[in-house]
Amino acid sequence: RKEVEQDPGPFNVPEGATVAFNCTYSNSASQSFFWYRQDCRKEPKLLMSVYSSGNEDGRFTAQLNRASQYISLLIRDSKLSDSATYLCVVTGVTYKYIFGTGTRLKVLA
Amino acid sequence: DTGVSQDPRHKITKRGQNVTFRCDPISEHNRLYWYRQTLGQGPEFLTYFQNEAQLEKSRLLSDRFSAERPKGSFSTLEIQRTEQGDSAMYLCASSMDREGLETQYFGPGTRLLVL
Repeated sequence: RKEVEQDPGPFNVPEGATVAFNCTYSNSASQSFFWYRQDCRKEPKLLMSVYSSGNEDGRFTAQLNRASQYISLLIRDSKLSDSATYLCVVTGVTYKYIFGTGTRLKVLA
Repeated sequence: DTGVSQDPRHKITKRGQNVTFRCDPISEHNRLYWYRQTLGQGPEFLTYFQNEAQLEKSRLLSDRFSAERPKGSFSTLEIQRTEQGDSAMYLCASSMDREGLETQYFGPGTRLLVL
C-alpha cells in the first residue's frame, strides 16, 4: 500500500462547479499536511497548508481528519486557471515530503 | 529572483555518462532537498541536507548517486554511469523551519533524458 494515495483523475468539471479531492495516508504518526499545485512540466507550488482545525483561503478549503487518516481539498467556483495537478503531501517524523501521485483537474469552459 | 534555482534546466546524455546538477536554495534556508519525479507520479524523496550535513538518504539513491552541499549553500547531485531509468525530472527544494511548520519551496527542476 502506498503511503499517500490519491485518485489520479482526471476530474473534468465545468467552470463554476465545486470539486473535492481526497487523499489518504497510512502513517498515523504523520505530522504536517499540505496541498501543492503543479502545472504541466512545472515545479510544485504550495497551495495551502492543512491545519487540524481546517482552513480556508478564498475559494479553497482544506480539511484534515486524523481519525480516518485523510485530508481533503474543496475548490468552489472553479476557474479555467484552476486546471492543474493537485498533489497531496504528508510529512512524518523527518522533514522529507511524501507525495501522492496527484489528482488532475481540468476545468472546462 | 530570490527563489530556488537549478541548473541546467534540461540535460540529454548517453547511457553510461556522468551528469551533475546544481541547486541554489533560497538564501536564508538551511534545509535543502532533492526529489525525483517521473511522468504521472508525484515527486519521490532522494536526500536532504541541513546546512552542510546530509541527514537522510532514500533507498532510491543507489551508489551511482551522490549529493553534496559543501558550504551549506548550493548543492550538487551527481549521477554516475547513467541508465535509461534515470530519465526523470530532478527537483530541488529548500526550507526553513518556522514555528514547527516545514514548508518547502521548489526550484524549476532539471529534466534529464538518458538515451
